[in-house]
Amino acid sequence: KAGVTQTPRYLIKTRGQQVTLSCSPISGHRSVSWYQQTPGQGLQFLFEYFSETQRNKGNFPGRFSGRQFSNSRSEMNVSTLELGDSALYLCASSTDRGGGTQYFGPGTRLLVL
Amino acid sequence: QKEVEQDPGPLSVPEGAIVSLNCTYSNSAFQYFMWYRQYSRKGPELLMYTYSSGNKEDGRFTAQVDKSSKYISLFIRDSQPSDSATYLCAGRDAGGTSYGKLTFGQGTILTVHP
Repeated sequence: KAGVTQTPRYLIKTRGQQVTLSCSPISGHRSVSWYQQTPGQGLQFLFEYFSETQRNKGNFPGRFSGRQFSNSRSEMNVSTLELGDSALYLCASSTDRGGGTQYFGPGTRLLVL
Repeated sequence: QKEVEQDPGPLSVPEGAIVSLNCTYSNSAFQYFMWYRQYSRKGPELLMYTYSSGNKEDGRFTAQVDKSSKYISLFIRDSQPSDSATYLCAGRDAGGTSYGKLTFGQGTILTVHP
């Protein structure tokens, strides 16, 4: 079975721009979670989608948003980019049964200049 | 105080050593515990998954959870240079408000030298 895929893998943007990242979950997985990973804060939960509905959200400003499509693919968007948004953005998918074991993609590395 | 505390290391051991990695957590509602391994410039890879307290063994890896002391451990036997990576512990509660949310430790950087 193919793993979680994320596109693009690398991205360079300037302050004030917006960016959209894409995640395709493992086939049959309906839950997609997004995380931000930085050296200072580690892995932090952004939000989770299941059946096109956001069920949970972390403590990030409204500039961070996401959505999920009927095929479970998910996108996250960051508007009005700030230097501090430079990070590795990871998505993880799960079947959401029981403890919902999460499988991560390779991430999108975003650099904001 | 972070919900999951993990010594970032770095930890350096010789090949063949037994490695002990540890985390403590403060959220009593955590029921599920995971260990992930992350190589440089890669996404985290699931190593071990444990529900509630107890031990779980998989090959050279053993995960232990002691909910009474809120302590999570991962042991690696016969460590290999290929085990050199960052190891992340994570916890999750079973409540409805925790959908899809894992809370991670900071990660421990491990180097196994030949």
